[in-house]
Amino acid sequence: AQTVTQSQPEMSVQEAETVTLSCTYDTSESDYYLFWYKQPPSRQMILVIRQEAYKQQNATENRFSVNFQKAAKSFSLKISDSQLGDAAMYFCAYKNGNKLVFGAGTILRVKS
Amino acid sequence: NAGVMQNPRHLVRRRGQEARLRCSPMKGHSHVYWYRQLPEEGLKFMVYLQKENIIDESGMPKERFSAEFPKEGPSILRIQQVVRGDSAAYFCASSPEKTAYEQYFGPGTRLTVT
Repeated sequence: AQTVTQSQPEMSVQEAETVTLSCTYDTSESDYYLFWYKQPPSRQMILVIRQEAYKQQNATENRFSVNFQKAAKSFSLKISDSQLGDAAMYFCAYKNGNKLVFGAGTILRVKS
Repeated sequence: NAGVMQNPRHLVRRRGQEARLRCSPMKGHSHVYWYRQLPEEGLKFMVYLQKENIIDESGMPKERFSAEFPKEGPSILRIQQVVRGDSAAYFCASSPEKTAYEQYFGPGTRLTVT
């Protein structure tokens, strides 16, 4: 069974600085998708960024980028120029087939 | 384009009562997924439905839980004889027929069992 591990229960970053959230996963599949979701206190799940496993190029969305290492099964999220609005729970997720498999999440705190 | 809608947003039930959670997918989406988030945990897959069909219910508890997605109307997640351990946030997501990867989430229903 596929598993997703987020080893950092909580991270802190100073406003305007950069932070990296870690994620590793376990799968025997070669074709799959990876995602980072943000969950603010409102609990709404917001898609931050996605990566197709067949693409070698790392995905980027404005201040958010990923470091996808397929051989190492690693998928970290880098947030540049952190803003107060980035404070939330961040979930890494894997998809192959019908369902998303989520990690336990990392709470990101942003200090002003 | 309205997003995925869930109601109610908050639901309080006493032990032994039934809980019915509703999900209206995004317009044009015919695939619905239900996830449960227990306190301090990530989301866990429960069931995947298309119109009038349950495709994958591998994450559903064997008893008391059922789901449907009728031809007309919203998808319903039903929990019979609720217990305190059912207290959680229940999220619905939907996807369009031809998209392989992305699921769009609703705001969730927070169920509290007293």
